[in-house]
Amino acid sequence: AQSVTQPDIHITVSEGASLELRCNYSYGATPYLFWYVQSPGQGLQLLLKYFSGDTLVQGIKGFEAEFKRSQSSFNLRKPSVHWSDAAEYFCAVRIYGGATNKLIFGTGTLLAVQP
Amino acid sequence: DVKVTQSSRYLVKRTGEKVFLECVQDMDHENMFWYRQDPGLGLRLIYFSYDVKMKEKGDIPEGYSVSREKKERFSLILESASTNQTSMYLCASRSQGVASGANVLTFGAGSRLTVL
Repeated sequence: AQSVTQPDIHITVSEGASLELRCNYSYGATPYLFWYVQSPGQGLQLLLKYFSGDTLVQGIKGFEAEFKRSQSSFNLRKPSVHWSDAAEYFCAVRIYGGATNKLIFGTGTLLAVQP
Repeated sequence: DVKVTQSSRYLVKRTGEKVFLECVQDMDHENMFWYRQDPGLGLRLIYFSYDVKMKEKGDIPEGYSVSREKKERFSLILESASTNQTSMYLCASRSQGVASGANVLTFGAGSRLTVL
């Protein structure tokens, strides 16, 4: 069955430190992959997406992600975390179902940033 | 920018009440979605609609129904609310096209429902 796994429920990093959030997916076809961020009390905002081509994709707010087909992974990275990056991060994969396609989300990783 | 508006940010209802959650988008998107968000479970798809009057069940449709009478509006209905439906509900929309902007969901701010 198609699924998205985010193994880290909660991560704490110091401001200025580097960050990597893990995401693994299970899907038989070529995946479209996404990272979304949710600030407290808000909806989800798209950080970046991978459809094809270069496996290293750049997003907003200084984030990037690398697609590794051999590992079925799409990890999110940022070289230097800012306090405003504290939020919940969701990885998602597009799958085909019914008359159209839909997104399946991981369970999220909650990021805390220490001063 | 695409805007997805969920008119009710916070609701408190009693068990057995009928609840309507409304969602409106202003960019003529064909596809609209309702997700439920719970701690530790991420987002789970309840229902989606790929066009007016069209709907498909998602992963957890039990206890919910939807209505899409106009392209811009997608309503989630809880016929008889129960305490286990206390949750954050997120609406999203997306264009159906093949351009790079398609496939990207735009979310509303969410409706937090408490059922007592």
